[in-house]
Amino acid sequence: DGGITQSPKYLFRKEGQNVTLSCEQNLNHDAMYWYRQDPGQGLRLIYYSQIVNDFQKGDIAEGYSVSREKKESFPLTVTSAQKNPTAFYLCASSTARAYGYTFGSGTRLTVV
Amino acid sequence: RKEVEQDPGPFNVPEGATVAFNCTYSNSASQSFFWYRQDCRKEPKLLMSVYSSGNEDGRFTAQLNRASQYISLLIRDSKLSDSATYLCVVIVYNFNKFYFGSGTKLNVKP
Repeated sequence: DGGITQSPKYLFRKEGQNVTLSCEQNLNHDAMYWYRQDPGQGLRLIYYSQIVNDFQKGDIAEGYSVSREKKESFPLTVTSAQKNPTAFYLCASSTARAYGYTFGSGTRLTVV
Repeated sequence: RKEVEQDPGPFNVPEGATVAFNCTYSNSASQSFFWYRQDCRKEPKLLMSVYSSGNEDGRFTAQLNRASQYISLLIRDSKLSDSATYLCVVIVYNFNKFYFGSGTKLNVKP
C-alpha cells in the first residue's frame, strides 16, 4: 500500500544536539511538506518542496533545515539553533495540484 | 488577520445531537477546500472535500459559501467516535498556498 512513513515515532534530543527526522513516501507525489504542531495549536509550516532539489521556507523555518535529493524523501533536521523544538512534527505530501494532503503518522520530539 | 479562522471550541454535545462548525477564509482566490479530522496525538486524516454545490457523506455534510468566504461542516446524529478535532484546509493554487485552520475540538458525551 502506498503511504508516507515517518520515523522515528518518538525522539529524544539533548540540548545542543542536531537531530534528523525521516520522511519517505511511495505515492509518487511531487510536493512534500513539514509541519510543526504544538499542544492545542494548529499546524505551522516549516518547509516545503515542490520538486527534487528545490525547497522553500515556510512560516517558521528558523532553526530547521531540509533536503530533497530524491522525490521519495524529504528529511528534516532540527538544529541546535531551534530554541524550543519539543513538538509533534508532521510530514505530508500531495500531487502537484494538491488535491488534498496525505500525512505521515508524525514524530514526537522531546528535548531532555 | 489569519488566513483561515476556526472557533477552537470545545463543542460539548450529547450523543445524537447535530453540530455544525464554520471556517472562514480571507483569500478570495481560494480554490479548494477540505475538512480533516485529527484524533488526539495522531496525524490529520482527510474527512471530506468541500464542493461548491455542497456534498454529503453519510452523517456529514460540507458546504461552501464563496460570497461570504466560509465553509461549514454539519454532523448529524453525533456518535462518541466523532470526538476529535476538525481542521479546515483552504488551498490557493495560484500561489501554491495551503492554509490550515487551528481546528475545532468536538467532544461527544454519552
